[in-house]
Amino acid sequence: AQSVSQHNHHVILSEAASLELGCNYSYGGTVNLFWYVQYPGQHLQLLLKYFSGDPLVKGIKGFEAEFIKSKFSFNLRKPSVQWSDTAEYFCAVNARGGYNKLIFGAGTRLAVHP
Amino acid sequence: GAGVSQSPSNKVTEKGKDVELRCDPISGHTALYWYRQSLGQGLEFLIYFQGNSAPDKSGLPSDRFSAERTGGSVSTLTIQRTQQEDSAVYLCASSLRPDSIYGYTFGSGTRLTVV
Repeated sequence: AQSVSQHNHHVILSEAASLELGCNYSYGGTVNLFWYVQYPGQHLQLLLKYFSGDPLVKGIKGFEAEFIKSKFSFNLRKPSVQWSDTAEYFCAVNARGGYNKLIFGAGTRLAVHP
Repeated sequence: GAGVSQSPSNKVTEKGKDVELRCDPISGHTALYWYRQSLGQGLEFLIYFQGNSAPDKSGLPSDRFSAERTGGSVSTLTIQRTQQEDSAVYLCASSLRPDSIYGYTFGSGTRLTVV
């Protein structure tokens, strides 16, 4: 069964700082990878996803993530964060093909100070 | 509807009572999922429905938890004899198909508090 590990539980940054949130998954087969974001008081929203092709995926609001197959990683990055990026970020994976549920990491709480 | 709808948005219940949580998925979405989000923890998978296939119940934490999906649309999650550790936000999500390139669309959740 697949699992997802997010290394940072809490991250505090100042505006304009660069962001990288780690995500590693455990699964021997082909996977689909996702990052979801949950802003305070709001529901989960899809930030970006990787299915195939270019391993560098660009999402909304200037976020990007890179799939490194050899490292089983899908880290989320943003060159310059804003106060409005304060949220909780979840990495998720499901096995490619068939009827396979999405497994989430524990999440990373990001606080951006002005 | 335009999104996944969950009701009630908040539920406070006494320990030992039964509760029912409802999820209306996006019309036409064949896959429906229930997750539980506890304070300081990630999303815990509970159960998954896909079309007419038998549901994947592997995430249900105990036999007090059950769920059904009627007519391939609305789903109800039932928790019997609630315990304080059941307090959490229960999230429902749906997708067009299980391997959806669009990911899942989540509802706003039901915040359950067992007192």
